[in-house]
Amino acid sequence: SQQGEEDPQALSIQEGENATMNCSYKTSINNLQWYRQNSGRGLVHLILIRSNEREKHSGRLRVTLDTSKKSSSLLITASRAADTASYFCATDDRDSNYQLIWGAGTKLIIKP
Amino acid sequence: DTGVSQDPRHKITKRGQNVTFRCDPISEHNRLYWYRQTLGQGPEFLTYFQNEAQLEKSRLLSDRFSAERPKGSFSTLEIQRTEQGDSAMYLCAISATGSSYNEQFFGPGTRLTVL
Repeated sequence: SQQGEEDPQALSIQEGENATMNCSYKTSINNLQWYRQNSGRGLVHLILIRSNEREKHSGRLRVTLDTSKKSSSLLITASRAADTASYFCATDDRDSNYQLIWGAGTKLIIKP
Repeated sequence: DTGVSQDPRHKITKRGQNVTFRCDPISEHNRLYWYRQTLGQGPEFLTYFQNEAQLEKSRLLSDRFSAERPKGSFSTLEIQRTEQGDSAMYLCAISATGSSYNEQFFGPGTRLTVL
């Protein structure tokens, strides 16, 4: 069963704008990861944030984690057409050291 | 390039036929995973290998599904007596040896269509 739930399900913005996606999960976690999937490159790992971290940056990506609310957000700044993709959050259960549990994803469309 | 290849990329089969997919990590990784993904959904965990040992199977993996990793390198996923509900993208992923954070690197997937 899916643990994560991304919000919104779909997001359409103009190129250059910022895009924010949210993820909620249900159990205690070791870390939370964000992945991107498009038809050209498949599923690609973007960024990982550990349960004891609150914020992490990587290039134009900013991830926050609130373990008290069991939620995370992914911010993409200065969006580009190439950012058009589906974005998934994935968590690993604290009781499991191998299994990732995924949400249904946010479909992001960047309009030129 | 994630270092994972999958073959075939597309497979169309008739209901009741058996199909086999292959996953080849380019370099040795001790952890290998199989997922299934249907349209509009995230990946669903199917099974996990630590070297050649299959350590966990999801309840999604009925007895028609079997996976092997005979020498701890490549892996195969076989579906027997395929059903239309098996139509999905089958993804293989690896974790870098020694990674404590379970970042996974995915192959391009095999898209299965059961007619």
